[in-house]
Amino acid sequence: AQKVTQAQTEISVVEKEDVTLDCVYETRDTTYYLFWYKQPPSGELVFLIRRNSFDEQNEISGRYSWNFQKSTSSFNFTITASQVVDSAVYFCALRSSNTGKLIFGQGTTLQVKP
Amino acid sequence: GAGVSQTPSNKVTEKGKYVELRCDPISGHTALYWYRQSLGQGPEFLIYFQGTGAADDSGLPNDRFFAVRPEGSVSTLKIQRTERGDSAVYLCASRKAGVFTDTQYFGPGTRLTVL
Repeated sequence: AQKVTQAQTEISVVEKEDVTLDCVYETRDTTYYLFWYKQPPSGELVFLIRRNSFDEQNEISGRYSWNFQKSTSSFNFTITASQVVDSAVYFCALRSSNTGKLIFGQGTTLQVKP
Repeated sequence: GAGVSQTPSNKVTEKGKYVELRCDPISGHTALYWYRQSLGQGPEFLIYFQGTGAADDSGLPNDRFFAVRPEGSVSTLKIQRTERGDSAVYLCASRKAGVFTDTQYFGPGTRLTVL
């Protein structure tokens, strides 16, 4: 079975703090893809990053960074120097190579207070 | 517009009624997906179209749910005999042709409320 677990339901930080959102996945596929999406209060899912199972290099994009570790089946997301505009629900998702559908975690609600 | 569009943005209906939800994908995207997101949950897959045909409908909860994409572009999700448990946000996403590695881009969703 394929599954994504985001154990943190809600996180609250003060602006400028660093915050890490955890994601653990389960799959028997040898080729798969992992995603992070952001869902602000407006409701639309915004794509942040895609990572395939062959590429374990960590990635940094501005204040965002991602740590992919196949050994622990984790794909964690860190926001450095958080801002109020980062407040949203963040979803981690898994897609197997032989299907198109995404399997989402339950999401982590991040609240950044000024 | 450049993104995925969905209409209506909100739909309120009574139990037992029939509803149609529309999705207009990004131009040139031949793959189209429907998901359902209940309050406080992640989106759950319903159905996937490649072109005009449903390539995977394993997520449809029962035979009251049906979706079509007759010309390989716009898709309509149809729900018969709506129940209160159908209340959710219905999301549509599209992806470029034929390559699973490409990203799915989501529309703003239709919030369905069944009274």
